[in-house]
Amino acid sequence: SQQGEEDPQALSIQEGENATMNCSYKTSINNLQWYRQNSGRGLVHLILIRSNEREKHSGRLRVTLDTSKKSSSLLITASRAADTASYFCATFYPQGAQKLVFGQGTRLTINP
Amino acid sequence: EPEVTQTPSHQVTQMGQEVILRCVPISNHLYFYWYRQILGQKVEFLVSFYNNEISEKSEIFDDQFSVERPDGSNFTLKIRSTKLEDSAMYFCASSLPPGEPQHFGDGTRLSIL
Repeated sequence: SQQGEEDPQALSIQEGENATMNCSYKTSINNLQWYRQNSGRGLVHLILIRSNEREKHSGRLRVTLDTSKKSSSLLITASRAADTASYFCATFYPQGAQKLVFGQGTRLTINP
Repeated sequence: EPEVTQTPSHQVTQMGQEVILRCVPISNHLYFYWYRQILGQKVEFLVSFYNNEISEKSEIFDDQFSVERPDGSNFTLKIRSTKLEDSAMYFCASSLPPGEPQHFGDGTRLSIL
């Protein structure tokens, strides 16, 4: 399998707290992307980080990538109830593959 | 903002029947994909399609599956003889170059009885 694990599988925090999710992968990647999925809906792209980047920000989202450890983390700061969703990392590989390989996801619940 | 649309939102079919899932990708996108998600599990790649042919397919995408872009806007997934284990959410996605963000539809929930 090209994809490793995400942890935690589930995370429940209070509104206003920060949420951190981690993702690991197994082989060299071209880029890594994070997606959000609200219950019963499709996946929404959040942020893309390329293999030569270490950190990227978008609003309240901060993504890091450590290619030596083959891992990434997604930090959501000042969480809101509307952030409740499942979050998936997906990797894109350089050798001709035209697909995303998704992790198992983290189910995030923000309690008001 | 342009979006990917999928129809129907829910399809119930008897085992052994053929089913066609439909998608309208974003109009200027060139790469099209189907993924599936069995309840509670991760999203799995099925097939990618570019320039009117399959670019890559997974082991799941066997001879029972086919894809087609019958006109300039629709992209379809056909399952010829459905099995119980085909029950899942099927997502269509499209992108500009394949490594760029993919835009997903809201999916079709396929229930095989």
